[in-house]
Amino acid sequence: NAGVMQNPRHLVRRRGQEARLRCSPMKGHSHVYWYRQLPEEGLKFMVYLQKENIIDESGMPKERFSAEFPKEGPSILRIQQVVRGDSAAYFCASSTAQETQYFGPGTRLLVL
Amino acid sequence: AQKITQTQPGMFVQEKEAVTLDCTYDTSDQSYGLFWYKQPSSGEMIFLIYQGSYDEQNATEGRYSLNFQKARKSANLVISASQLGDSAMYFCAMRDCPPQIDQFYFGTGTSLTVIP
Repeated sequence: NAGVMQNPRHLVRRRGQEARLRCSPMKGHSHVYWYRQLPEEGLKFMVYLQKENIIDESGMPKERFSAEFPKEGPSILRIQQVVRGDSAAYFCASSTAQETQYFGPGTRLLVL
Repeated sequence: AQKITQTQPGMFVQEKEAVTLDCTYDTSDQSYGLFWYKQPSSGEMIFLIYQGSYDEQNATEGRYSLNFQKARKSANLVISASQLGDSAMYFCAMRDCPPQIDQFYFGTGTSLTVIP
């Protein structure tokens, strides 16, 4: 049973470009969560999604960030017009309803 | 207010000794879950152990045990017989469960170094 998959593992973007981060949950998991980890810090919740629905996006910056979890395919975290401060590790986690969250390996985003 | 507090930025332990990593939490919910994750230098987040707020027994998973003291709102992780591979960052997390919301709150982590 494959774990949570994230790609790419590393992503380099120049300021102003778009970053797309993908997450495929574990088989049988319908809940997806995105977190951001800045250097030397813990994980900060960004958004919680179920298929085709955003359940809680209270941790998402109001501008430039969006997330989706379509009926088919992976969940996507999209960052438009990236800035240096967006450089971080972005983790996706998945779970069944209100159970333990299992994390993917993360995507390290570096904005030049 | 901080939901999860880990007061030990760094800890050292001798190989084969036991070590306790502290975690206190803040919630007014009656139903919540407490988790510990390990993050080695490779960066992935590895689930270690879970404790539910209504569980009467302390959770154990192999060499990991969770010292759950509900009245004190603490959920310390105990690693017995430390191994070199235990060197990593350790994060305490809490999930509280108001209706329709399922967020995890993470502490700032404790860096554990196991000394041979």
